[in-house]
Amino acid sequence: QKEVEQDPGPLSVPEGAIVSLNCTYSNSAFQYFMWYRQYSRKGPELLMYTYSSGNKEDGRFTAQVDKSSKYISLFIRDSQPSDSATYLCAQRDNQGGKLIFGQGTELSVKP
Amino acid sequence: GAGVSQTPSNKVTEKGKYVELRCDPISGHTALYWYRQSLGQGPEFLIYFQGTGAADDSGLPNDRFFAVRPEGSVSTLKIQRTERGDSAVYLCASSLMSLAAGGTQYFGPGTRLTVL
Repeated sequence: QKEVEQDPGPLSVPEGAIVSLNCTYSNSAFQYFMWYRQYSRKGPELLMYTYSSGNKEDGRFTAQVDKSSKYISLFIRDSQPSDSATYLCAQRDNQGGKLIFGQGTELSVKP
Repeated sequence: GAGVSQTPSNKVTEKGKYVELRCDPISGHTALYWYRQSLGQGPEFLIYFQGTGAADDSGLPNDRFFAVRPEGSVSTLKIQRTERGDSAVYLCASSLMSLAAGGTQYFGPGTRLTVL
């Protein structure tokens, strides 16, 4: 079993839809949870991070951590074609800070 | 300011050859990470430097892989006797490693390695 599991998709939605992306994790010791966005042939870029549990909102994006079920979610409101990318969830190691990524979910937002 | 840069952007080599991949981190970032991303997968950790020393090399798959960061800035990932299974995108990231800064890792665009 991988430490961070993510449905690879692909996921296709119409413009304006609400998108829900999800991951599960197995290591409860790690407290930082990250969402990265990766465009084709580019490096990942950090979207949001949360510490421990709860919600964090940034514009159209909301990150949620449910530690009781070991579930990480990213919600995108009013999705745009420019949101089309691969979304990677990750946990951050407590010691050196290495990131443990999920497989990534490929999202396509159709105009 | 300038982000993380990686050279070359693409590298095609033959099985059995030696390759070097270079990473220039963001100026002032003390922590540097290497990851490998295979097609359709998330990045997988290879090695982490804090300054000049390798603080965690637990992700290196075998002794054909080696990385250095002699002056605490530029890093080189070296792969000996390349195999077709080494084909992937090699990503480098750097961070300030400050809790206040969130330890955010900034990624470079990657080097796409193809072993024929």
